[in-house]
Amino acid sequence: DTEVTQTPKHLVMGMTNKKSLKCEQHMGHRAMYWYKQKAKKPPELMFVYSYEKLSINESVPSRFSPECPNSSLLNLHLHALQPEDSALYLCASSPTGWNTIYFGEGSWLTVV
Amino acid sequence: AQRVTQPEKLLSVFKGAPVELKCNYSYSGSPELFWYVQYSRQRLQLLLRHISRESIKGFTADLNKGETSFHLKKPFAQEEDSAMYYCALSTYNTDKLIFGTGTRLQVFP
Repeated sequence: DTEVTQTPKHLVMGMTNKKSLKCEQHMGHRAMYWYKQKAKKPPELMFVYSYEKLSINESVPSRFSPECPNSSLLNLHLHALQPEDSALYLCASSPTGWNTIYFGEGSWLTVV
Repeated sequence: AQRVTQPEKLLSVFKGAPVELKCNYSYSGSPELFWYVQYSRQRLQLLLRHISRESIKGFTADLNKGETSFHLKKPFAQEEDSAMYYCALSTYNTDKLIFGTGTRLQVFP
């Protein structure tokens, strides 16, 4: 399995909802990432997990809460989001931080 | 701080024409540089990285440390090359991949 798999592909949520985005990889990669991508913009780094520990948090608002239950899984818990949080959320993984990063197809999030 | 600059938002060429997508970086150490491509409705994927010195789909990129550049080149563009191209930088012993703003390549028949 050489892919990063993300679910759901599309999510519509209200501003008071709680939802989660899920990501899975079975390549034995030790680094996992969450990126946010707005239309016609480059991906922006949100969080990095290294060996299941949060190593980088790019000053992301607390309404986004990452979780890494094990070396293959990465979740992004969403609560009380704003309409401006609507974007494509990309999960990625890498053998090491200085190596090629492999991206999932992303989860399209719409906050209404 | 590390920074990646792609000066062109859009590059339009005709099929068969040469293509050069520019990328400049700012980093005082030894960077690891990548080109990622995003075709319409597909995931972001690696096109090439400077350390491997490969040619992928006819594209090449050479790291010029003197000019701090990593321009992407192809001698004869194809229509299927139309996509969004991102230059990205990583540094040794960090987990960050910093993206440039991207260049959209349009290849007309």
